[in-house]
Amino acid sequence: GQQLNQSPQSMFIQEGEDVSMNCTSSSIFNTWLWYKQDPGEGPVLLIALYKAGELTSNGRLTAQFGITRKDSFLNISASIPSDVGIYFCAGQISPGGSQGNLIFGKGTKLSVKP
Amino acid sequence: GAVVSQHPSWVICKSGTSVKIECRSLDFQATTMFWYRQFPKQSLMLMATSNEGSKATYEQGVEKDKFLINHASLTLSTLTVTSAHPEDSSFYICSARKVTEAFFGQGTRLTVV
Repeated sequence: GQQLNQSPQSMFIQEGEDVSMNCTSSSIFNTWLWYKQDPGEGPVLLIALYKAGELTSNGRLTAQFGITRKDSFLNISASIPSDVGIYFCAGQISPGGSQGNLIFGKGTKLSVKP
Repeated sequence: GAVVSQHPSWVICKSGTSVKIECRSLDFQATTMFWYRQFPKQSLMLMATSNEGSKATYEQGVEKDKFLINHASLTLSTLTVTSAHPEDSSFYICSARKVTEAFFGQGTRLTVV
């Protein structure tokens, strides 16, 4: 089946540093979604991307839908302690209907040192 | 965004009993909801797709008789873990589709003792 490769698996950074993580796939996706999950909570949607080449920002977060439609990256600028958590990418082949379920990457665990 | 509420947030039950988890979309209607299971430090594993008014579609390896899913209305899906055993202990998360995006509940921590 389809798989998403998300990297890095974990990151330990200093507060104020920028962060970059990415996902690649062997399949073409129509939608890329980026989520953040805090411990003991459900994932929260950060950014949704719908078109190849699309670059979208949400505050200090920026994500891009790769031109090949097989990859996406998420950047976090000037990290702060509350950025700590697990970030998941998710790809979707069919944007609508019951068959359009998400395929998740394995997550990037971000730790920020004050 | 959109709000998806999952209840309970945690439950402890005895081995052999059944547990029901509810997933509600509070401010939108969801014809499709999804149920995931997450082991510690791992990604989300899709268990089944819940379709309003029809039978759920289960992923390979998920026992449909053990994990009963009911999507009786456009705002409510339930997952019942029947005859729970300690190996069923896990974090269960639902999500609901709103157009092209999926929004997640808070998750339910199930502990079977």
